[in-house]
Amino acid sequence: AQSVAQPEDQVNVAEGNPLTVKCTYSVSGNPYLFWYVQYPNRGLQFLLKYITGDNLVKGSYGFEAEFNKSQTSFHLKKPSALVSDSALYFCAVRTKRYSSASKIIFGSGTRLSIRP
Amino acid sequence: DAGITQSPRHKVTETGTPVTLRCHQTENHRYMYWYRQDPGHGLRLIHYSYGVKDTDKGEVSDGYSVSRSKTEDFLLTLESATSSQTSVYFCAISEGLEGGVEAFFGQGTRLTVV
Repeated sequence: AQSVAQPEDQVNVAEGNPLTVKCTYSVSGNPYLFWYVQYPNRGLQFLLKYITGDNLVKGSYGFEAEFNKSQTSFHLKKPSALVSDSALYFCAVRTKRYSSASKIIFGSGTRLSIRP
Repeated sequence: DAGITQSPRHKVTETGTPVTLRCHQTENHRYMYWYRQDPGHGLRLIHYSYGVKDTDKGEVSDGYSVSRSKTEDFLLTLESATSSQTSVYFCAISEGLEGGVEAFFGQGTRLTVV
């Protein structure tokens, strides 16, 4: 069964420092991988995705993520954190299987807190 | 936000009553999903649809049913609401694997069962 793990419930970073939010996945076959962000009382917003090709993908708001097939990881990164990056972040996976089985499964979320 | 509307946005209902949540899209996307969000659990998939009248169960489908009679509408029904179904419910849509694969989310429905 496919699954996504976000091992950290909360990540605390000082503004201006680099940040990393961790994600590991388990699927059969090659995955589509995603990061989403949720601000208070809002739905989830798409940040970036990995489909194929370059292992480093760039997304919205200066975020990027690195796909590592051998470690089955897809960690979210940003070189310099902003206070406005404080939010709840979700990693998700979708399998490249026949269409009717193509579910999107989410991790439990990581709360990112950026202190001034 | 993508053209996704959830209704109602807030609802308080009594234990044992039926409840239907509606998700309406204007994007003509093939896939539609219902998730629930609970602290410590992230988003858990309830049911999803890959076409009109084509639906399948997610990881937490017990106590829920869905219907999709038109491309644009995906209904989630709690046949007999329980307090454990108090949650925030999100609808999401996506195209098929041939096109864009990411999902777009509605604003959510906050359901309280008392």
